[in-house]
Amino acid sequence: QQQVKQSPQSLIVQKGGIPIINCAYENTAFDYFPWYQQFPGKGPALLIAIRPDVSEKKEGRFTISFNKSAKQFSLHIMDSQPGDSATYFCAASPLNAGGTSYGKLTFGQGTILTVHP
Amino acid sequence: DVKVTQSSRYLVKRTGEKVFLECVQDMDHENMFWYRQDPGLGLRLIYFSYDVKMKEKGDIPEGYSVSREKKERFSLILESASTNQTSMYLCASRNPQETQYFGPGTRLLVL
Repeated sequence: QQQVKQSPQSLIVQKGGIPIINCAYENTAFDYFPWYQQFPGKGPALLIAIRPDVSEKKEGRFTISFNKSAKQFSLHIMDSQPGDSATYFCAASPLNAGGTSYGKLTFGQGTILTVHP
Repeated sequence: DVKVTQSSRYLVKRTGEKVFLECVQDMDHENMFWYRQDPGLGLRLIYFSYDVKMKEKGDIPEGYSVSREKKERFSLILESASTNQTSMYLCASRNPQETQYFGPGTRLLVL
């Protein structure tokens, strides 16, 4: 089954802390791993994404770490701020849009992050 | 700027009613998607359309149908609404192998 398992379900940190959200997948055909950020009342928006040819990708305070052999990837938020409080979703898909998958994203269950001032 | 709009932000319907949720994108995207979002379950794909008049079932299509007569518009239809279809519905669009953009969502309550 094409599952993506995300943990924890919720996370509370103090401002300046480094929350870490983890995801694990089963389908070895997955080769595109985006993270989406969703604020209350809004749709999810792409935050950062990684391909498995690199083990880490950093954009500003957000870093994805990727472990291909363990089939796991994680999101780290450095120097977290109250404005980072949101729901975060990991996702995975085959990047190649051919075949019956059409590169459909499979999402994790989501993590509600709260950053206290 | 990519824009995906959904016809309603909030909707209240009664059990057994036929419900239409509309989604419009303005970026000439080929693919469009309908998801439902429930706490602890993440985003689950209901249906997607890879081109005009083409559709394919997602992971949870039961009780839903879709229509895509024009490239920019993708409609989700609840043939006979039930209380277990109370949820947040999210539309998304993209071109293949490119970033997927979401609309703001429609929160549907079925009484």
